[in-house]
Amino acid sequence: DAGVTQSPTHLIKTRGQQVTLRCSPKSGHDTVSWYQQALGQGPQFIFQYYEEEERQRGNFPDRFSGHQFPNYSSELNVNALLLGDSALYLCASSSTGSTVRPYEQYFGPGTRLTVT
Amino acid sequence: ELKVEQNPLFLSMQEGKNYTIYCNYSTTSDRLYWYRQDPGKSLESLFVLLSNGAVKQEGRLMASLDTKARLSTLHITAAVHDLSATYFCAVPPRTQGAQKLVFGQGTRLTINP
Repeated sequence: DAGVTQSPTHLIKTRGQQVTLRCSPKSGHDTVSWYQQALGQGPQFIFQYYEEEERQRGNFPDRFSGHQFPNYSSELNVNALLLGDSALYLCASSSTGSTVRPYEQYFGPGTRLTVT
Repeated sequence: ELKVEQNPLFLSMQEGKNYTIYCNYSTTSDRLYWYRQDPGKSLESLFVLLSNGAVKQEGRLMASLDTKARLSTLHITAAVHDLSATYFCAVPPRTQGAQKLVFGQGTRLTINP
């Protein structure tokens, strides 16, 4: 059973560019959440997708957008990159529809984004 | 707004010793998560505590939850070097349908031989 997968593993971009990160949830999960973890900090919630719609959003600007596909996989897009966007981006999957383990939250390996 | 605070933020201890990491949160929630993170890696799920008084143990780690005090503890017994990592607690806001997690700052644990 594959866990949560993310791609790419590492990425280097220049200020002002745009980036797309990808996540495939754990088998049986239908909800994807994205987090940003700056160096030495705890992860910060960006947004969550369920049924192909953004269900919740944290305190991040509109430069951060996302998408969820019918197969539950998700993308995180960041436009007009700033140096401060350098971080580890984590995807977490869970199951809104599950009555057995609605509390499960599993994290992927992350994408390390460096903005120069 | 839910806030989660951990202490200590840094902990250096010797092998064989016992210690406790504390996690306080500011508003009511019905469950709490503990994660471990090794340098440059993702978050590994350790425990999910689902009710007041819940206690879970795995090896040298034991976690407990007091929802009335809004406090969770992660106790380390007879520490070994392999437990060196950063430990995070995380709490979901008690909003219907909410599954987002609010994380503490993390406790960086270093265990010395």
